[in-house]
Amino acid sequence: GAGVSQSPSNKVTEKGKDVELRCDPISGHTALYWYRQSLGQGLEFLIYFQGNSAPDKSGLPSDRFSAERTGGSVSTLTIQRTQQEDSAVYLCASSPRQGDSPLHFGNGTRLTVT
Amino acid sequence: AQSVTQLGSHVSVSEGALVLLRCNYSSSVPPYLFWYVQYPNQGLQLLLKYTTGATLVKGINGFEAEFKKSETSFHLTKPSAHMSDAAEYFCAVSDWTGNQFYFGTGTSLTVIP
Repeated sequence: GAGVSQSPSNKVTEKGKDVELRCDPISGHTALYWYRQSLGQGLEFLIYFQGNSAPDKSGLPSDRFSAERTGGSVSTLTIQRTQQEDSAVYLCASSPRQGDSPLHFGNGTRLTVT
Repeated sequence: AQSVTQLGSHVSVSEGALVLLRCNYSSSVPPYLFWYVQYPNQGLQLLLKYTTGATLVKGINGFEAEFKKSETSFHLTKPSAHMSDAAEYFCAVSDWTGNQFYFGTGTSLTVIP
C-alpha cells in the first residue's frame, strides 16, 4: 500500500510569508506526528494527533506554528510570517498506535526561507 | 521525559569492517526501542525494533542490535560494512503507550572504500 505522502517536497518562500505543508498518512493509522529536522540536528517533535483526542502541541516552537488534522486523516502544518530560522526539513509520520508500533515517515518537505 | 544519547555524531569505517553505532537511553522502565536509517533526501526507515522477548534483534540489511537493560543501551551493529550503508542513523525510544517518541541526534555513517 501507499506510504506517508508529503507535499510539496520542496518549498522556497520569502521571509514573512505564510506556508502550508501537507501530510497524507497511511490509511487506517490513527496517530500522526510532525517533526522538524534542521541541518545537522536530530528530530525536533512539533505536534502529535491521536484519533479524535486533543492534539499534543507541546513541541510547537511559537504561536506562528499551527496544525490541524481533518477527518482523522490528512494533516496540514501552517507556519505564519516565516522566519529564516524556520528553514528545515519538516517530517510527518504516522502510526497505528498499538503500543510498540513504529513510526512510518514521509520523505519530508524541505522549507527554505529567503 | 526520556532522553536518548548517541555517542559519536560521525562514524567512519572501511568497507568490510564492523559497524558499531552506540545508543543509550534514560529510563527506569524498559521502553520500546528502535533504530531508523535516513538516506539523503528521504524520510526515516525502520531498521529494527525491540519490544519484548529476545534481547538480540535482527533487522534489515544485515543490521542487528542488542538490548542491555543493565547498561540501558541498544547499540547497532553490522559485521561487514557495505558502501550502501552510508547514511544517517537514529536511535529512538517510545514509552509503553507508544504515544511519544524520543530520538537521538543521529550518527552519520561514512563507509570508506
